[in-house]
Amino acid sequence: AQSVTQPDIHITVSEGASLELRCNYSYGATPYLFWYVQSPGQGLQLLLKYFSGDTLVQGIKGFEAEFKRSQSSFNLRKPSVHWSDAAEYFCAVGLMEYGNKLVFGAGTILRVKS
Amino acid sequence: NAGVTQTPKFQVLKTGQSMTLQCAQDMNHNSMYWYRQDPGMGLRLIYYSASEGTTDKGEVPNGYNVSRLNKREFSLRLESAAPSQTSVYFCASKPTSGAGNEQFFGPGTRLTVL
Repeated sequence: AQSVTQPDIHITVSEGASLELRCNYSYGATPYLFWYVQSPGQGLQLLLKYFSGDTLVQGIKGFEAEFKRSQSSFNLRKPSVHWSDAAEYFCAVGLMEYGNKLVFGAGTILRVKS
Repeated sequence: NAGVTQTPKFQVLKTGQSMTLQCAQDMNHNSMYWYRQDPGMGLRLIYYSASEGTTDKGEVPNGYNVSRLNKREFSLRLESAAPSQTSVYFCASKPTSGAGNEQFFGPGTRLTVL
């Protein structure tokens, strides 16, 4: 079955430090990949997405992600974290089944130290 | 352009009570989805509607029913609420078929069943 794994439940980084959030997926074909962010009490906002082409994709708020087919990974990065980046981050795979549903990882909660 | 709206934002029910969660989108999207979010489990699909006039079960449909009232509105009904249905419920919409399209999420409804 298709699955998405985010191995880190919580991550704490200092403001100004770099960030990498990990995401691995299990899916036969090249999937459609997404990163969403959820601020406390809010809905989900799309950060970036990958369908095909250049494996390094740029998103909003200074985030980028790299698709590595050999590792079945789609890790999210940011070179310098701001306090406002504290939130929960979800990796997701878009499938053709169930009306093109999204399969989500369990999420990674990011805490930023000042 | 409000995007995806959900009502209510918060709700407390007693076991056995019924209620309907409302969702509306003003983006002329064809597909709409209901997810539930539980700690450590990401979001799981309850029901979806690929287009106006159709609804289908997702991964966790038991205890729920849905109605696609028109292209804009997609409601989720709990006929007899149970404590296991305590969760945050998100409605989402997507413009066309195809797993690559981004889903747009509402702000969520936080439901507690006592």
